[in-house]
Amino acid sequence: IAGITQAPTSQILAAGRRMTLRCTQDMRHNAMYWYRQDLGLGLRLIHYSNTAGTTGKGEVPDGYSVSRANTDDFPLTLASAVPSQTSVYFCASTRQGGDTEAFFGQGTRLTVV
Amino acid sequence: RKEVEQDPGPFNVPEGATVAFNCTYSNSASQSFFWYRQDCRKEPKLLMSVYSSGNEDGRFTAQLNRASQYISLLIRDSKLSDSATYLCVVNPTPYKLIFGSGTRLLVRP
Repeated sequence: IAGITQAPTSQILAAGRRMTLRCTQDMRHNAMYWYRQDLGLGLRLIHYSNTAGTTGKGEVPDGYSVSRANTDDFPLTLASAVPSQTSVYFCASTRQGGDTEAFFGQGTRLTVV
Repeated sequence: RKEVEQDPGPFNVPEGATVAFNCTYSNSASQSFFWYRQDCRKEPKLLMSVYSSGNEDGRFTAQLNRASQYISLLIRDSKLSDSATYLCVVNPTPYKLIFGSGTRLLVRP
């Protein structure tokens, strides 16, 4: 089934640990995005990539890093998790830029304790 | 000031009611606008794009006012299944989709 897959679906993580959230799409979309969603704040853009090999910072990039080695994969890494990174993380993709429909993964619920 | 602002609601309306949501954006250079729907913290899904001339899709009508920098969503004849959070989305620069915090709609029997 075409779409975006995120893994894991949920995770409890000790503070200070390193964690990589995985995101894979099979739609051959050029652009990919990572958002976090917190109650009352909506979705906030963490990082984005407009094509394989390039990435950019969003609204809240601190504490996160991304890579885009190929078209399909866009992992998000928390180098040293902190409790304020407790959130629901959504990966998304668009065929080109932000002027086309965005497709989202099912989300990763992360709790940092 | 947030780039995209929405009234969080909730809007609590009876079935059959007409309800309207507004959203304001700060970047006048924004070119693309959308409404997304999100159910119970599931992933957001596109409801409709918003075009300069306004557009309609069944019971849903979206309008854009560039001069005042706001977009609106009108839902006619509300159904129970319309209960969800509606997210206003703006594309201020290429490869950046900025979401509002969402407006929650509750449709009661």
